[in-house]
Amino acid sequence: GNSVTQMEGPVTLSEEAFLTINCTYTATGYPSLFWYVQYPGEGLQLLLKATKADDKGSNKGFEATYRKETTSFHLEKGSVQVSDSAVYFCALSENTNAGKSTFGDGTTLTVKP
Amino acid sequence: DTGVSQDPRHKITKRGQNVTFRCDPISEHNRLYWYRQTLGQGPEFLTYFQNEAQLEKSRLLSDRFSAERPKGSFSTLEIQRTEQGDSAMYLCASSPSGAGANVLTFGAGSRLTVL
Repeated sequence: GNSVTQMEGPVTLSEEAFLTINCTYTATGYPSLFWYVQYPGEGLQLLLKATKADDKGSNKGFEATYRKETTSFHLEKGSVQVSDSAVYFCALSENTNAGKSTFGDGTTLTVKP
Repeated sequence: DTGVSQDPRHKITKRGQNVTFRCDPISEHNRLYWYRQTLGQGPEFLTYFQNEAQLEKSRLLSDRFSAERPKGSFSTLEIQRTEQGDSAMYLCASSPSGAGANVLTFGAGSRLTVL
């Protein structure tokens, strides 16, 4: 079956530091890949997505590139802010019409001023 | 649109009681999903509807769990004879069908504590 593995957290960084959160996946075919973010007290919300190999998703300064050869979708940001403190979830769906997604266990990011 | 709404936000119950959660999706979305999330874990898929039809159920959804979406709008998730292992956050999400169906909009969740 499908699975998503994220680097274990929590991750604590100082403001303006570089962020990488690793994500690898196992799936048949050509899944779509996502990063969702959950801010304290709020629901999960889509951060970015990529639907095919070599696509780069980007939003709010975050980026992730769909690497089929390494089955990875690592999240990066060049300069984090305190407001980026949240839980980040990597996820996949089997295709753009798929009815369900498979999520990783989440990585908690804390950014200190 | 107010997004995906879930009610109640918190529910504390005693083991053996029945509980029901309600989800109101984004009105333009005809797909509705239920997920369960326990502490330190990612959301786990339970079931989803397209309009009023329940198209898929996870093996996680035991016989004590039932979900309905009678008119293709709001949905309810009922847990009968609750057990302590049912304690979790129950998440509802919605999406359109077709292209973009896999982009989920989540509600804030309903947290269940079974004593």
